[in-house]
Amino acid sequence: AQKITQTQPGMFVQEKEAVTLDCTYDTSDQSYGLFWYKQPSSGEMIFLIYQGSYDEQNATEGRYSLNFQKARKSANLVISASQLGDSAMYFCAMRERRAAGGTSYGKLTFGQGTILTVHP
Amino acid sequence: GAVVSQHPSWVICKSGTSVKIECRSLDFQATTMFWYRQFPKQSLMLMATSNEGSKATYEQGVEKDKFLINHASLTLSTLTVTSAHPEDSSFYICSARRAGDYEQYFGPGTRLTVT
Repeated sequence: AQKITQTQPGMFVQEKEAVTLDCTYDTSDQSYGLFWYKQPSSGEMIFLIYQGSYDEQNATEGRYSLNFQKARKSANLVISASQLGDSAMYFCAMRERRAAGGTSYGKLTFGQGTILTVHP
Repeated sequence: GAVVSQHPSWVICKSGTSVKIECRSLDFQATTMFWYRQFPKQSLMLMATSNEGSKATYEQGVEKDKFLINHASLTLSTLTVTSAHPEDSSFYICSARRAGDYEQYFGPGTRLTVT
């Protein structure tokens, strides 16, 4: 069974500083994908970054980078140069890939979320 | 591209009535659509997965007779909450995926309040 754990219910960071949001996962699958989403107070889910289990390099997207440590089963999100608009709830999620050779993907399982507050 | 819309964005209904929420993929064909439920400051919980033209697959604990899901076309899925109760009040989010694509595209959500 899959499990995603975000141990930080809330995080605070000063504007322009970097912050790391923790995520650990548990799976027996060899092939899986890890996602981070941002959910502002409006409720929309905004895709931030994706890391495939076979990707050797850590994913980066602008100010977002994913610190992927496969052996430790962790996929922490690093936000550099925090901005006030980064204040939101952040979710880590994982999806397994189905049977070998298949192109279908399994369901997305979300962690509990971390509320990030950026102070001016 | 890859825009998903939901309608309505918010709805208030009386206990015992039914309410329908629409989810549309505006610029792509969604072979798979997902419905999630989210309570305030909590995670998204998957309710069901639907593939176009097939019956939805419900997650354990989700009443299929209460939450009716229809995915009649490649661009439209509907969730009908039947005989709504106040405990059904929640934020409902749909998500859509193209065939062979790893990414899911989320709708803006629908806030349901049952009085």
